[in-house]
Amino acid sequence: AQSVTQPDIHITVSEGASLELRCNYSYGATPYLFWYVQSPGQGLQLLLKYFSGDTLVQGIKGFEAEFKRSQSSFNLRKPSVHWSDAAEYFCAVGPGYSTLTFGKGTMLLVSP
Amino acid sequence: DAGVIQSPRHEVTEMGQEVTLRCKPISGHNSLFWYRQTMMRGLELLIYFNNNVPIDDSGMPEDRFSAKMPNASFSTLKIQPSEPRDSAVYFCASSARTSGVEYEQYFGPGTRLTVT
Repeated sequence: AQSVTQPDIHITVSEGASLELRCNYSYGATPYLFWYVQSPGQGLQLLLKYFSGDTLVQGIKGFEAEFKRSQSSFNLRKPSVHWSDAAEYFCAVGPGYSTLTFGKGTMLLVSP
Repeated sequence: DAGVIQSPRHEVTEMGQEVTLRCKPISGHNSLFWYRQTMMRGLELLIYFNNNVPIDDSGMPEDRFSAKMPNASFSTLKIQPSEPRDSAVYFCASSARTSGVEYEQYFGPGTRLTVT
């Protein structure tokens, strides 16, 4: 069975500081991995995805993520956080875009 | 494009009542997904349609839940009878699937259901 663990429920980062959100997955085959962002009262928006190839993937809004097969991880990073990045972030795994399994999310708070 | 449209945005109902949630996918998309989001369980896939046919309904919690997609532009998720533990945010998402290749899911804004 596929599963996703996001160990941090909440993270607080100062504006301008760097960010790393952790994601660990369990999947029986080559995983398709995703990061989504959810702003309050909104649906989820795809930030970036990894299917194959270069293990460092770039996404929208200045985010990137690195796939590490040996660690079963797909951590999300941003070098400098803006107040508008405050939201909830979800990591997901699946055989493609369908039948995704999501983590429980990490709430990012940005302090001035 | 208007994006995925869900109605109502908020629903408050009493235990035992029937609840119907509605979704209009993005025009041209032929896959549709219903999700439920709760604090305890996170975001769970309930059911997935492709070309109006249910492909995977293994996430539907029990017989009180049913979903239909009578045509390519409309889907409903019905709960009858509703229970307080059904309180959650229900999301609909749609995507395009062509020649076996699935593309990005686009999510609607969700329906917040409260069952008292």
